[in-house]
Amino acid sequence: GAGVSQSPRYKVTKRGQDVALRCDPISGHVSLYWYRQALGQGPEFLTYFNYEAQQDKSGLPNDRFSAERPEGSISTLTIQRTEQRDSAMYRCASSLGTSGLGDNEQFFGPGTRLTVL
Amino acid sequence: AQSVTQLDSHVSVSEGTPVLLRCNYSSSYSPSLFWYVQHPNKGLQLLLKYTSAATLVKGINGFEAEFKKSETSFHLTKPSAHMSDAAEYFCVVSDTGGFKTIFGAGTRLFVKA
Repeated sequence: GAGVSQSPRYKVTKRGQDVALRCDPISGHVSLYWYRQALGQGPEFLTYFNYEAQQDKSGLPNDRFSAERPEGSISTLTIQRTEQRDSAMYRCASSLGTSGLGDNEQFFGPGTRLTVL
Repeated sequence: AQSVTQLDSHVSVSEGTPVLLRCNYSSSYSPSLFWYVQHPNKGLQLLLKYTSAATLVKGINGFEAEFKKSETSFHLTKPSAHMSDAAEYFCVVSDTGGFKTIFGAGTRLFVKA
């Protein structure tokens, strides 16, 4: 596709359920990032991948959160035993290279709005 | 450790007047800095970026930002606001590796006719 896509766009779940959020990056983009954005705040870094390798997961709030990118393309962010405080917009982004120069433009997807009842 | 502070949560200007959105950062090394814009119900779009080249950076839609190391600032400006500029703007600092990015809390820009 032309841009980063995420699915589902909206997810409503009950407390205690597990959810899986999917990100499909721009074809050929090596790096993939996950963010969480609470209402009225800026995106908060969660984790990122270069190819299939998870490089930094220091932003994951706790061990209920995990992410994978097994084939270096599509990524899944999984939240186990969801809690109401997990409600937020979850955004995915991808960038072309791994140069690490800090100048890789990140292209963002539309996000998944998660609501935990 | 890095951090970024956007000094105004809301800015309101009249159409045709200048825009100033303020951003201060903290970084223990030479940072990369970005401004992103988010229009309602749309994704984040890169406006401009600073990566240790020219300190005055020009972006899309007539926006520009100046990196001032002595003031640890990276304020976003535009000479003349347009109604379509109404959106939320995020200042972003990136680590040396260029991947772990810290977003500011955002500044919502309102443009009055």
